Amino acid sequence: EDQVTQSPEALRLQEGESSSLNCSYTVSGLRGLFWYRQDPGKGPEFLFTLYSAGEEKEKERLKATLTKKESFLHITAPKPEDSATYLCAVRLDSNYQLIWGAGTKLIIKP
Amino acid sequence: SQTIHQWPATLVQPVGSPLSLECTVEGTSNPNLYWYRQAAGRGLQLLFYSVGIGQISSEVPQNLSASRPQDRQFILSSKKLLLSDSGFYLCACSEAGDYGYTFGSGTRLTVV
Repeated sequence: EDQVTQSPEALRLQEGESSSLNCSYTVSGLRGLFWYRQDPGKGPEFLFTLYSAGEEKEKERLKATLTKKESFLHITAPKPEDSATYLCAVRLDSNYQLIWGAGTKLIIKP
Repeated sequence: SQTIHQWPATLVQPVGSPLSLECTVEGTSNPNLYWYRQAAGRGLQLLFYSVGIGQISSEVPQNLSASRPQDRQFILSSKKLLLSDSGFYLCACSEAGDYGYTFGSGTRLTVV
């Protein structure tokens, strides 16, 4: 069964304390892996798409990496405004739908 | 780029009442359209998707239905709401060949 698992469920960091969020996947044929940021009461906001193992993408304090089994979202020197839920999703070769993880709630304390 | 307009932002409805949530898309033609529901602390559950006018596929048997009367309009409906229909409803779109989704701002539905 195709599955996407995110860990941890929640992560509390001090401002400036770098860390990583994990998205592991078990799917038959990966077409792309997506990272989204979701603020409370809002729709998810697109961050990155990764297509192949070894690929990396960066945006401000965020860097996403991809291997054949998982993706990491590295956050460097986070600020309180980085607090949000980060969602991971994969798209399969077989169709255009996305399989979503449950998300990691990131809290950055000042 | 695509923009999705979704309304209302919040809605409180009694059990047994009807529902109509509307979503319109700007900045693209013939998009794929999706309705998702998100329970508190949970991932996104795909409810319906549409690849064209009048073409609706349902992912989960439920008390809801969807329609696409125009290319860039997607409607989520119910004839009689249940308590279990409460949740955060999101409309999304994607373009053919574009793997990313654009989401609307969501509707918080509370059935009382």
